[in-house]
Amino acid sequence: NAGVTQTPKFRVLKTGQSMTLLCAQDMNHEYMYWYRQDPGMGLRLIHYSVGEGTTAKGEVPDGYNVSRLKKQNFLLGLESAAPSQTSVYFCASSYGASGNTIYFGEGSWLTVV
Amino acid sequence: DQQVKQNSPSLSVQEGRISILNCDYTNSMFDYFLWYKKYPAEGPTFLISISSIKDKNEDGRFTVFLNKSAKHLSLHIVPSQPGDSAVYFCAARDSGAGSYQLTFGKGTKLSVIP
Repeated sequence: NAGVTQTPKFRVLKTGQSMTLLCAQDMNHEYMYWYRQDPGMGLRLIHYSVGEGTTAKGEVPDGYNVSRLKKQNFLLGLESAAPSQTSVYFCASSYGASGNTIYFGEGSWLTVV
Repeated sequence: DQQVKQNSPSLSVQEGRISILNCDYTNSMFDYFLWYKKYPAEGPTFLISISSIKDKNEDGRFTVFLNKSAKHLSLHIVPSQPGDSAVYFCAARDSGAGSYQLTFGKGTKLSVIP
């Protein structure tokens, strides 16, 4: 059972480049989330989705876009990467809004130079 | 404006002793609290939770205590084991606002010394 899978795990980008992080879950979860974690900071929610075809902004959405075309996938896009977006990105999913059933992926390390 | 605060960035405890990790919050609308554990290079995993209608929840070696009047919760690990060494995040949720997001603290790194 794969759970929540993120690709790629590591990426180095130049400032201004674009990229997409892919998240896939095989648990038939309705809710999916993208968080970022920075040194000395907790996890901060970027965007989330409560179902296929829906997305919503979280705490720190600027500079990111997301899409949920399929229930099992949640894509996070950076249109023009900036050094401030250097971070570890975690995708997560849950059955509903219950916090204890949030399952996280292993993380994607992104460096913008 | 940090709504969930973990004021101790790190904690060292001898194996077999009790580990106490603390968390304070400012939003009185939070009604559900969780602890997540995170090992390096892995995603966070759920550890234990507590609803605001309770003041204690226990699961094996892990107990979470909630003091609503003080807006404070704590995680007790007894006895502590080397495998417990990880970063622990406190998180809170405001269900009434229709919010689906958790607000996380900055984490406390626990080191259990053999």
